[in-house]
Amino acid sequence: DAMVIQNPRYQVTQFGKPVTLSCSQTLNHNVMYWYQQKSSQAPKLLFHYYDKDFNNEADTPDNFQSRRPNTSFCFLDIRSPGLGDAAMYLCATSEEQGSYEQYFGPGTRLTVT
Amino acid sequence: AQSVSQHNHHVILSEAASLELGCNYSYGGTVNLFWYVQYPGQHLQLLLKYFSGDPLVKGIKGFEAEFIKSKFSFNLRKPSVQWSDTAEYFCAVNGPDNTDKLIFGTGTRLQVFP
Repeated sequence: DAMVIQNPRYQVTQFGKPVTLSCSQTLNHNVMYWYQQKSSQAPKLLFHYYDKDFNNEADTPDNFQSRRPNTSFCFLDIRSPGLGDAAMYLCATSEEQGSYEQYFGPGTRLTVT
Repeated sequence: AQSVSQHNHHVILSEAASLELGCNYSYGGTVNLFWYVQYPGQHLQLLLKYFSGDPLVKGIKGFEAEFIKSKFSFNLRKPSVQWSDTAEYFCAVNGPDNTDKLIFGTGTRLQVFP
């Protein structure tokens, strides 16, 4: 029944140690998104893929990268996590461009020690 | 830049009380508007949306929202809340030029006591 799946739900990494968060979807949606949500703040879009086309937000730090090897999977790589990168990371999908309803996964809470 | 404001950060109500959560957006062009809800320990899910047509939109679980273009507002209402409505509520608007980007407000935490 799960539609957007994120693994792991909780991730602890050390300062500067690369970490990868994963997202998979069973909806066969073309668009996938990564959001960062810090405590008591709005979810903030980092980037999104329309199919294989990558769209980076202008203010997304270079430290954040993403890969989408196929329709179902999308990864968020944080190359050198800092303490300020501790947050909830949300993956979402939508069926097509121009289709505005987004379906969210449960999120991965990242702790940086 | 486009922004969304939710002025109520934390709302506490008793069951059966009426609810209204404020949402204002800054963009003056054509917009699509959303309310998402996040129940404790669960993922964000769509409560209701406005694209066009009747400005009074009805969503799931008895919620409704009214789009008032002149006020740049999309307030969420429910006539009688239940304990199970305890959650965080996020207003969102699509990005400029009707892209897929969603811009979220900071959210309103609603606590309903029996």
